[in-house]
Amino acid sequence: EAEVAQSPRYKITEKSQAVAFWCDPISGHATLYWYRQILGQGPELLVQFQDESVVDDSQLPKDRFSAERLKGVDSTLKIQPAELGDSAMYLCASSRGQGLETQYFGPGTRLLVL
Amino acid sequence: AQSVAQPEDQVNVAEGNPLTVKCTYSVSGNPYLFWYVQYPNRGLQFLLKYITGDNLVKGSYGFEAEFNKSQTSFHLKKPSALVSDSALYFCAVRDRNSGNTPLVFGKGTRLSVIA
Repeated sequence: EAEVAQSPRYKITEKSQAVAFWCDPISGHATLYWYRQILGQGPELLVQFQDESVVDDSQLPKDRFSAERLKGVDSTLKIQPAELGDSAMYLCASSRGQGLETQYFGPGTRLLVL
Repeated sequence: AQSVAQPEDQVNVAEGNPLTVKCTYSVSGNPYLFWYVQYPNRGLQFLLKYITGDNLVKGSYGFEAEFNKSQTSFHLKKPSALVSDSALYFCAVRDRNSGNTPLVFGKGTRLSVIA
């Protein structure tokens, strides 16, 4: 069964440092999502791609967060500089298309900012 | 704006007993509704979804959910709980009539099945 891959699984960094997370969606999935999940809460969408184009980044803190999906396949989410409040689980999900298509999630990257 | 409420932070049930995890939603149009499960330090796993049609939706691992439009609810149920069902459960909603609005998740309900 195909899965969404993410790396690293865990990341510890100091505030003001740069961090990057990688996601490889299920093959053939055109839509890719990055979510942030704070402990005790549900995931919140940060950015959505359709192929290589950003569809929705309204909740992405653009002063410090950036995301790209250059070839429309894998994607990178970057934080620079990291702040203490960025400590969370970062989840990547993919779906065949937008709308009612089911989203399939990767295992996540747990970030701790010290 | 769309929203989801999961009124119980924690649900405890004895193994073999039926379980219910509650979810209510608010959308301006018609909803797409989803249930996901999350095990410790893992991503979310899809359980089931309601798009249209039969109000009773059957999903993975013996779970089912009933869509109730008048009560704006989509409760998750299982006839006989297993210890391995212990996990965090998330309900999510998307407004079918609002273009490409994002999926909105509830805060989650922690299910504990006691042997």
